[in-house]
Amino acid sequence: DVKVTQSSRYLVKRTGEKVFLECVQDMDHENMFWYRQDPGLGLRLIYFSYDVKMKEKGDIPEGYSVSREKKERFSLILESASTNQTSMYLCASSFDRAGYGYTFGSGTRLTVV
Amino acid sequence: AQSVTQLGSHVSVSEGALVLLRCNYSSSVPPYLFWYVQYPNQGLQLLLKYTTGATLVKGINGFEAEFKKSETSFHLTKPSAHMSDAAEYFCAVSDRPLGTYKYIFGTGTRLKVLA
Repeated sequence: DVKVTQSSRYLVKRTGEKVFLECVQDMDHENMFWYRQDPGLGLRLIYFSYDVKMKEKGDIPEGYSVSREKKERFSLILESASTNQTSMYLCASSFDRAGYGYTFGSGTRLTVV
Repeated sequence: AQSVTQLGSHVSVSEGALVLLRCNYSSSVPPYLFWYVQYPNQGLQLLLKYTTGATLVKGINGFEAEFKKSETSFHLTKPSAHMSDAAEYFCAVSDRPLGTYKYIFGTGTRLKVLA
Protein backbone atom coordinates (compact mmCIF):
# COMPACT_ATOMS: atom_id res chain seq x y z
CA ASP A 1 0.00 0.00 0.00
CA VAL A 2 1.03 3.55 -0.68
CA LYS A 3 1.90 5.38 2.43
CA VAL A 4 1.90 9.09 3.00
CA THR A 5 3.44 9.90 6.35
CA GLN A 6 3.09 13.21 8.14
CA SER A 7 5.69 13.70 10.81
CA SER A 8 3.39 14.94 13.59
CA ARG A 9 -0.24 14.24 14.48
CA TYR A 10 -0.52 17.16 16.91
CA LEU A 11 1.54 20.32 17.22
CA VAL A 12 1.24 23.34 19.47
CA LYS A 13 3.27 26.40 18.49
CA ARG A 14 3.50 29.98 19.62
CA THR A 15 2.57 33.01 17.56
CA GLY A 16 5.53 34.16 15.48
CA GLU A 17 7.34 30.82 15.46
CA LYS A 18 8.58 29.28 12.21
CA VAL A 19 6.81 25.95 11.76
CA PHE A 20 7.77 23.04 9.54
CA LEU A 21 5.27 20.34 8.57
CA GLU A 22 6.86 17.36 6.90
CA CYS A 23 5.31 14.87 4.50
CA VAL A 24 6.93 11.79 2.98
CA GLN A 25 5.47 9.34 0.45
CA ASP A 26 6.95 6.00 -0.48
CA MET A 27 5.49 5.19 -3.91
CA ASP A 28 7.39 7.45 -6.28
CA HIS A 29 4.41 9.74 -6.87
CA GLU A 30 5.10 12.78 -9.00
CA ASN A 31 2.45 15.06 -7.49
CA MET A 32 2.23 16.20 -3.90
CA PHE A 33 -0.25 18.56 -2.26
CA TRP A 34 -0.85 20.46 0.97
CA TYR A 35 -4.40 21.22 2.08
CA ARG A 36 -5.84 22.77 5.17
CA GLN A 37 -9.18 21.61 6.51
CA ASP A 38 -11.51 23.82 8.53
CA PRO A 39 -15.07 23.10 9.65
CA GLY A 40 -17.61 24.25 7.07
CA LEU A 41 -14.92 25.14 4.55
CA GLY A 42 -13.85 21.68 3.45
CA LEU A 43 -10.37 21.24 2.02
CA ARG A 44 -8.54 24.22 0.63
CA LEU A 45 -5.39 23.85 -1.43
CA ILE A 46 -2.36 25.71 -0.12
CA TYR A 47 0.42 24.60 -2.46
CA PHE A 48 1.17 21.72 -4.77
CA SER A 49 4.16 20.32 -6.57
CA TYR A 50 4.32 18.15 -9.67
CA ASP A 51 8.07 17.65 -9.75
CA VAL A 52 11.17 18.06 -7.63
CA LYS A 53 11.93 21.73 -6.98
CA MET A 54 8.67 22.70 -8.68
CA LYS A 55 5.85 24.35 -6.77
CA GLU A 56 2.59 26.04 -7.60
CA LYS A 57 0.37 28.21 -5.46
CA GLY A 58 -3.02 26.87 -4.60
CA ASP A 59 -6.03 28.84 -3.48
CA ILE A 60 -4.73 30.09 -0.12
CA PRO A 61 -0.90 30.37 -0.25
CA GLU A 62 -0.57 33.53 1.84
CA GLY A 63 1.52 32.98 4.95
CA TYR A 64 2.90 29.66 3.71
CA SER A 65 5.81 28.40 1.66
CA VAL A 66 6.89 24.93 0.56
CA SER A 67 9.99 22.98 -0.25
CA ARG A 68 10.48 19.90 -2.40
CA GLU A 69 14.17 19.00 -2.59
CA LYS A 70 13.52 15.27 -3.08
CA LYS A 71 10.70 13.53 -4.90
CA GLU A 72 9.40 11.76 -1.81
CA ARG A 73 9.35 14.73 0.56
CA PHE A 74 7.19 17.85 0.53
CA SER A 75 7.46 20.32 3.38
CA LEU A 76 5.05 23.06 4.35
CA ILE A 77 6.53 26.07 6.11
CA LEU A 78 4.70 28.67 8.16
CA GLU A 79 7.17 31.53 8.19
CA SER A 80 5.61 33.28 11.20
CA ALA A 81 2.75 31.33 12.69
CA SER A 82 -0.45 33.17 13.51
CA THR A 83 -3.56 32.08 15.38
CA ASN A 84 -5.61 32.04 12.16
CA GLN A 85 -3.36 29.24 10.93
CA THR A 86 -4.72 26.92 13.60
CA SER A 87 -6.13 24.09 11.52
CA MET A 88 -5.86 20.50 10.34
CA TYR A 89 -3.21 20.16 7.64
CA LEU A 90 -3.43 17.29 5.17
CA CYS A 91 -0.74 16.13 2.78
CA ALA A 92 -1.61 14.08 -0.31
CA SER A 93 0.22 12.54 -3.23
CA SER A 94 -0.70 11.03 -6.60
CA PHE A 95 0.71 9.74 -9.82
CA ASP A 96 0.72 12.19 -12.68
CA ARG A 97 -2.04 10.27 -14.32
CA ALA A 98 -5.60 11.40 -14.90
CA GLY A 99 -8.16 9.86 -12.62
CA TYR A 100 -5.67 8.11 -10.37
CA GLY A 101 -6.85 9.68 -7.12
CA TYR A 102 -5.01 11.04 -4.13
CA THR A 103 -3.52 9.18 -1.20
CA PHE A 104 -3.72 11.23 1.98
CA GLY A 105 -1.64 11.27 5.12
CA SER A 106 -3.28 11.12 8.54
CA GLY A 107 -3.09 14.87 9.03
CA THR A 108 -1.40 17.25 11.46
CA ARG A 109 -3.59 19.21 13.82
CA LEU A 110 -1.75 22.47 14.44
CA THR A 111 -2.70 24.84 17.24
CA VAL A 112 -1.08 28.27 17.33
CA VAL A 113 -1.34 30.00 20.69
CA ALA B 1 -13.95 26.90 -13.42
CA GLN B 2 -14.90 23.62 -11.88
CA SER B 3 -16.80 23.45 -8.61
CA VAL B 4 -18.48 20.95 -6.32
CA THR B 5 -21.57 21.39 -4.17
CA GLN B 6 -22.54 18.95 -1.45
CA LEU B 7 -26.11 19.43 -0.30
CA GLY B 8 -26.47 19.04 3.45
CA SER B 9 -23.54 19.50 5.79
CA HIS B 10 -25.10 17.01 8.22
CA VAL B 11 -27.18 13.93 7.40
CA SER B 12 -28.69 11.53 9.96
CA VAL B 13 -30.02 8.08 9.14
CA SER B 14 -31.14 5.13 11.21
CA GLU B 15 -29.07 1.99 11.22
CA GLY B 16 -30.28 -0.20 8.34
CA ALA B 17 -31.75 2.71 6.39
CA LEU B 18 -30.70 3.96 2.97
CA VAL B 19 -27.79 6.39 2.88
CA LEU B 20 -27.94 9.13 0.23
CA LEU B 21 -25.29 11.85 0.12
CA ARG B 22 -25.67 14.40 -2.64
CA CYS B 23 -22.99 15.89 -4.85
CA ASN B 24 -23.39 18.22 -7.82
CA TYR B 25 -20.55 19.54 -9.90
CA SER B 26 -19.89 22.02 -12.63
CA SER B 27 -17.28 21.37 -15.25
CA SER B 28 -16.59 22.52 -18.79
CA VAL B 29 -14.80 19.28 -19.64
CA PRO B 30 -15.65 15.63 -18.94
CA PRO B 31 -14.99 15.30 -15.23
CA TYR B 32 -13.28 12.75 -13.11
CA LEU B 33 -15.29 12.40 -9.89
CA PHE B 34 -14.36 11.01 -6.50
CA TRP B 35 -15.84 10.28 -3.10
CA TYR B 36 -13.60 10.23 -0.05
CA VAL B 37 -14.39 9.29 3.56
CA GLN B 38 -12.75 10.69 6.66
CA TYR B 39 -13.04 8.99 10.03
CA PRO B 40 -12.35 11.05 13.17
CA ASN B 41 -8.77 12.25 13.49
CA GLN B 42 -7.69 10.54 10.28
CA GLY B 43 -6.86 11.53 6.73
CA LEU B 44 -9.14 10.99 3.77
CA GLN B 45 -9.59 7.56 2.20
CA LEU B 46 -10.77 6.96 -1.36
CA LEU B 47 -14.22 5.32 -1.45
CA LEU B 48 -14.78 5.22 -5.19
CA LYS B 49 -14.18 7.11 -8.41
CA TYR B 50 -15.64 7.67 -11.84
CA THR B 51 -13.26 8.18 -14.74
CA THR B 52 -14.79 6.70 -17.91
CA GLY B 53 -17.08 3.83 -18.87
CA ALA B 54 -19.87 2.50 -16.66
CA THR B 55 -21.68 5.32 -14.93
CA LEU B 56 -22.56 3.26 -11.85
CA VAL B 57 -19.41 2.70 -9.84
CA LYS B 58 -19.00 0.53 -6.79
CA GLY B 59 -16.63 1.28 -3.98
CA ILE B 60 -15.51 -0.07 -0.67
CA ASN B 61 -17.77 -0.81 2.30
CA GLY B 62 -20.88 -1.32 0.11
CA PHE B 63 -21.05 2.22 -1.23
CA GLU B 64 -21.82 3.09 -4.82
CA ALA B 65 -22.35 6.24 -6.87
CA GLU B 66 -23.89 7.04 -10.21
CA PHE B 67 -22.58 9.63 -12.63
CA LYS B 68 -25.50 11.45 -14.28
CA LYS B 69 -24.22 13.85 -16.86
CA SER B 70 -27.63 15.39 -17.58
CA GLU B 71 -28.06 16.24 -13.90
CA THR B 72 -24.36 17.02 -13.28
CA SER B 73 -24.61 14.80 -10.23
CA PHE B 74 -22.59 12.07 -8.55
CA HIS B 75 -24.63 11.05 -5.51
CA LEU B 76 -23.30 8.47 -3.06
CA THR B 77 -25.59 5.71 -1.81
CA LYS B 78 -25.55 2.66 0.42
CA PRO B 79 -28.63 0.44 0.79
CA SER B 80 -28.26 -0.19 4.51
CA ALA B 81 -26.38 2.06 6.93
CA HIS B 82 -24.10 0.61 9.56
CA MET B 83 -22.88 2.31 12.70
CA SER B 84 -19.34 2.17 11.34
CA ASP B 85 -20.38 4.40 8.40
CA ALA B 86 -20.49 7.43 10.70
CA ALA B 87 -17.86 9.74 9.23
CA GLU B 88 -17.42 12.79 7.04
CA TYR B 89 -17.72 12.33 3.28
CA PHE B 90 -16.18 14.53 0.62
CA CYS B 91 -16.99 14.71 -3.08
CA ALA B 92 -14.24 15.91 -5.43
CA VAL B 93 -13.89 16.77 -9.11
CA SER B 94 -10.70 16.90 -11.09
CA ASP B 95 -9.32 20.12 -12.40
CA ARG B 96 -6.81 19.15 -15.03
CA PRO B 97 -5.35 22.13 -16.74
CA LEU B 98 -2.14 21.32 -18.51
CA GLY B 99 -1.71 17.96 -16.85
CA THR B 100 -1.59 19.04 -13.24
CA TYR B 101 -4.08 16.81 -11.46
CA LYS B 102 -5.52 19.17 -8.93
CA TYR B 103 -8.85 18.29 -7.36
CA ILE B 104 -11.63 20.55 -6.16
CA PHE B 105 -13.32 19.29 -2.98
CA GLY B 106 -16.78 19.92 -1.65
CA THR B 107 -17.28 21.20 1.87
CA GLY B 108 -18.18 17.76 3.18
CA THR B 109 -21.20 15.97 4.63
CA ARG B 110 -21.07 14.54 8.11
CA LEU B 111 -23.07 11.32 8.34
CA LYS B 112 -24.56 10.31 11.66
CA VAL B 113 -26.01 6.82 12.08
CA LEU B 114 -28.65 6.39 14.77
CA ALA B 115 -29.10 3.12 16.61
